[in-house]
Amino acid sequence: AQRVTQPEKLLSVFKGAPVELKCNYSYSGSPELFWYVQYSRQRLQLLLRHISRESIKGFTADLNKGETSFHLKKPFAQEEDSAMYYCALGDSGSGAGSYQLTFGKGTKLSVIP
Amino acid sequence: EAGVTQSPTHLIKTRGQQATLRCSPISGHTSVYWYQQALGLGLQFLLWYDEGEERNRGNFPPRFSGRQFPNYSSELNVNALELEDSALYLCASSSWADEQFFGPGTRLTVL
Repeated sequence: AQRVTQPEKLLSVFKGAPVELKCNYSYSGSPELFWYVQYSRQRLQLLLRHISRESIKGFTADLNKGETSFHLKKPFAQEEDSAMYYCALGDSGSGAGSYQLTFGKGTKLSVIP
Repeated sequence: EAGVTQSPTHLIKTRGQQATLRCSPISGHTSVYWYQQALGLGLQFLLWYDEGEERNRGNFPPRFSGRQFPNYSSELNVNALELEDSALYLCASSSWADEQFFGPGTRLTVL
């Protein structure tokens, strides 16, 4: 069975400091990995997915299949980055196409001014 | 463009009752997913509907059921409510193999 682990419930960093939110997964197939973010009083939204290899709001994440990790990084944290971050693993179930997601329990990032 | 909508926002029931939660996907999306976010358990996959059919379900008892209508909206039914069913229920929609867009959720409280 697939599993996503986010070891930190809370991560506090100073503004301008680097940020790394950890995510490890276990999955027997070829994984699709995502990072979702939930800002205060907003709905859950996609931040980035590994197949797009984009940098969104300065965040990047690299899939490391050897270490089964998909850590989220940003070189310089901003106050507006304070939010709840969820790592998720996509499982296409019985076939290709849409994915049901397995989420980690989330990491609350707090950026201190 | 309107996002995913869910109703009601809050729902209060007593043990043993039935709850019905509703979700309207983004126009053009055929897949609807239901997730439960219970305190301490995180977001857990419940059900996935696509083109009116149930494609998969998570590790939940059969009293959690649902359906998808021809207009792709969806309903989640929870029968014989138990206290531990108290949670935020999130609905998400997507088009084929694309990003899931989430609704604001329905907060279900079981007394």
